[in-house]
Amino acid sequence: AQSVAQPEDQVNVAEGNPLTVKCTYSVSGNPYLFWYVQYPNRGLQFLLKYITGDNLVKGSYGFEAEFNKSQTSFHLKKPSALVSDSALYFCAVRDSRRFGNEKLTFGTGTRLTIIP
Amino acid sequence: GAGVSQTPSNKVTEKGKYVELRCDPISGHTALYWYRQSLGQGPEFLIYFQGTGAADDSGLPNDRFFAVRPEGSVSTLKIQRTERGDSAVYLCASSFGTGRRETQYFGPGTRLLVL
Repeated sequence: AQSVAQPEDQVNVAEGNPLTVKCTYSVSGNPYLFWYVQYPNRGLQFLLKYITGDNLVKGSYGFEAEFNKSQTSFHLKKPSALVSDSALYFCAVRDSRRFGNEKLTFGTGTRLTIIP
Repeated sequence: GAGVSQTPSNKVTEKGKYVELRCDPISGHTALYWYRQSLGQGPEFLIYFQGTGAADDSGLPNDRFFAVRPEGSVSTLKIQRTERGDSAVYLCASSFGTGRRETQYFGPGTRLLVL
């Protein structure tokens, strides 16, 4: 079975400071990892994904994430937070090996609040 | 181009009624997915279509839930004899292909409230 843990329900960061939203995963094979963001009353918007290669992945709106295989983590980061980054963030995983397993498994989400 | 669209955006129904939720994927996307998001939770997989056929329906909670995609484009999620526990946001996603590297793009969702 595949699973994702987002250990923090809520993260508060001052505007201009660096931010980190944590994610750890569990899969049988190699993981494909995704970050999505959800604004109020809107669907999920894709931010970035890790498939293979460089462990540091760059995505939309200045976000990046670092894949760490030994720690089974895929933390989302941004060097300087904006108030507009305030939203609900979801980490998701897919097992690369399981043929026919196309579904994404999501974490429970982390609410990020950027304080002006 | 246009993203994934879902109708209606909100649906209020009474316990025991039948509802249909519609998803229109991104043009050219062959794979389509349905997820359900309950309050305070992440989305949970329901069913996945490759073309017209349901390739994986392992996430459907019971036989009251059914989905179709007759022409390989628009999909309808159907819920019979609705229960209060069915209240959630139903999300649809599509992707260009079915490879596990593909990104799923989500619609805005249908918020279903069963009274």
